[in-house]
Amino acid sequence: DAGVTQSPTHLIKTRGQQVTLRCSPKSGHDTVSWYQQALGQGPQFIFQYYEEEERQRGNFPDRFSGHQYPNYSSELNVNALLLGDSALYLCASSLGKVNEKLFFGSGTQLSVL
Amino acid sequence: RKEVEQDPGPFNVPEGATVAFNCTYSNSASQSFFWYRQDCRKEPKLLMSVYSSGNEDGRFTAQLNRASQYISLLIRDSKLSDSATYLCVVNPLTGGFKTIFGAGTRLFVKA
Repeated sequence: DAGVTQSPTHLIKTRGQQVTLRCSPKSGHDTVSWYQQALGQGPQFIFQYYEEEERQRGNFPDRFSGHQYPNYSSELNVNALLLGDSALYLCASSLGKVNEKLFFGSGTQLSVL
Repeated sequence: RKEVEQDPGPFNVPEGATVAFNCTYSNSASQSFFWYRQDCRKEPKLLMSVYSSGNEDGRFTAQLNRASQYISLLIRDSKLSDSATYLCVVNPLTGGFKTIFGAGTRLFVKA
């Protein structure tokens, strides 16, 4: 049973560039949430996708956008990167309408120079 | 005030000790509660759900006090392998699908 997979594992970008992170949910899961985790902090909710729609968004600017495909996989796009975007980006999958137990991928460590 | 606040760490305890973590949440309409464990540079993993009646899983006991809006996690007979960051997690009913994580409490168990 495949768990949540994320790619790439590490990424280095420069300010102003754009980045795309990818996530495949756990088998049988249809909901994908994205989180940003800065060093020493808890994960911060970016947004959640269900049925290919963004159904809730956290306090992140429009530079952060996403997509969900019919096979439930998802992408997180960040435009005009800032130094402060350096963080671990985590994808979590869950099942259905009720936001219960989350299963996380191992994350993408993004460094913006 | 933060939506979810946890005890500041780190907690340094010897093997075999009992340690307790507390967490408070601000939204009284919060619906469900969890503790996650996160090892250094790894992803968070679900440790246990927290039920109103309290629940136990081996050496771990979770309690919920809705009136005071706090959640606790008790670890008995600490093992070296319990060293990790423990994250308090809340699903607010009115917040929809936005799961909120605390900043985490770091635990070091020493031999």
